[in-house]
Amino acid sequence: TQLLEQSPQFLSIQEGENLTVYCNSSSVFSSLQWYRQEPGEGPVLLVTVVTGGEVKKLKRLTFQFGDARKDSSLHITAAQPGDTGLYLCAGARSGGSNYKLTFGKGTLLTVNP
Amino acid sequence: GAVVSQHPSRVICKSGTSVKIECRSLDFQATTMFWYRQFPKQSLMLMATSNEGSKATYEQGVEKDKFLINHASLTLSTLTVTSAHPEDSSFYICSGRGPGNTIYFGEGSWLTVV
Repeated sequence: TQLLEQSPQFLSIQEGENLTVYCNSSSVFSSLQWYRQEPGEGPVLLVTVVTGGEVKKLKRLTFQFGDARKDSSLHITAAQPGDTGLYLCAGARSGGSNYKLTFGKGTLLTVNP
Repeated sequence: GAVVSQHPSRVICKSGTSVKIECRSLDFQATTMFWYRQFPKQSLMLMATSNEGSKATYEQGVEKDKFLINHASLTLSTLTVTSAHPEDSSFYICSGRGPGNTIYFGEGSWLTVV
C-alpha cells in the first residue's frame, strides 16, 4: 500500500516555466522531507518541514507543509536545466527505535533548455 | 552536514557468489540505518531497518536470509547479498538517521550480477 501519493510522476517543461509537485497522504507525519536525486547518486536532502502550515524557501524552491501535516508541495519558479532530476518526498513517523521514512514514488523532472 | 559513505560504488559479481556493501556514517553516530533498493527512474524501496546491536527488521517480501544485514557499530552497517542472481542487480542505497532525526543518504552502490 502506497501511503504517500506523489504527483505528477513525470514532468517535462521548458526553461523558465514554473511547476508544482504534490505529495499527499491520508496519514499524519511528524515531519516531511524533500530530496533531489541525480542518476546513479544517492538522494540529497533539500528541506525538512515539521510544523503544520510551515513554508520554507530555498532560492527558487518553495516548500509547504499542510496544516494537518498530511500533505506537502514543492514549487519551483523559473525552472532551469540544472533542476532536472528525481524529486522525492518522504514522510517520517517516529516512535523511538521505530522511526521510519516512507517515500513517495518520485517525480522525474526534465527541464529543457 | 552529516555524511554517509557507501563502498563499493560499483561491483560486478558472478552469479552464485556473495557480495558485501558497506555503509558508514562519517561524522555522526547512526543508531539506525536503512537499506533501500532502487530500480531505474523509480523511487526507493525500503528493504530493511538496521538498529545497532540488534537484528534488522525486514520489510514484507524481502528475504532476510538472502540480504544479510549487520549493524555492529554506531557508524557501520553492511548488506551482504548472498548467492546473488542477475535479478538482484540493482542500485542499493543506505541511509543513516542523524541528528534531529534527519536521514542522510549514501552515494549508492551499483550491483551487477553476471
